Amino acid sequence: AQSVAQPEDQVNVAEGNPLTVKCTYSVSGNPYLFWYVQYPNRGLQFLLKYITGDNLVKGSYGFEAEFNKSQTSFHLKKPSALVSDSALYFCAVRDSGNTGGFKTIFGAGTRLFVKA
Amino acid sequence: DGGITQSPKYLFRKEGQNVTLSCEQNLNHDAMYWYRQDPGQGLRLIYYSQIVNDFQKGDIAEGYSVSREKKESFPLTVTSAQKNPTAFYLCASSGTGRVNEQYFGPGTRLTVT
Repeated sequence: AQSVAQPEDQVNVAEGNPLTVKCTYSVSGNPYLFWYVQYPNRGLQFLLKYITGDNLVKGSYGFEAEFNKSQTSFHLKKPSALVSDSALYFCAVRDSGNTGGFKTIFGAGTRLFVKA
Repeated sequence: DGGITQSPKYLFRKEGQNVTLSCEQNLNHDAMYWYRQDPGQGLRLIYYSQIVNDFQKGDIAEGYSVSREKKESFPLTVTSAQKNPTAFYLCASSGTGRVNEQYFGPGTRLTVT
């Protein structure tokens, strides 16, 4: 069965410092991995995805994520955090194989607070 | 939120009443989805549709119903059988390939008293 874990409910970081939001996954086949961001009372916005190829994926707003197959992780990173990055971040996985169909499994979310 | 509209933004209903949430997209996407979001639980899939006139139950379909008569529209009805309907409901769409990301609407917050 597919699953996604975001081990931290909340991450606090000072503006200008690097940030990391953690995500681990479990799928039976090869994973398609996604990061989304949600601002208060809004829908989710797509940030980046890993399909295949280079393990370091670059996305919107200066975010990037590193795929690590041996650790089954897909951590979201940004070299220098902004106060405006404060939001709720979701990691999501979809199995590339036939199991699970088109279902995407979302993690519970990690709230990021960036302090000025 | 671009390309997908959900209405209304806030909805209040009395217990025992059915209510329909609207979702429209102009992205020409074949696949559409309904999720429920509760605090600390992430997103849970209610129903999804990969093509017009076809849809599948997600993980928490009980007490909900959908229709997909047009490619652009995927309304969700919350019936009186749904035991805990108060939640934030999100509609999304995507291309049909598994590599495609989803595009989300702004959501509808439903409160049932």
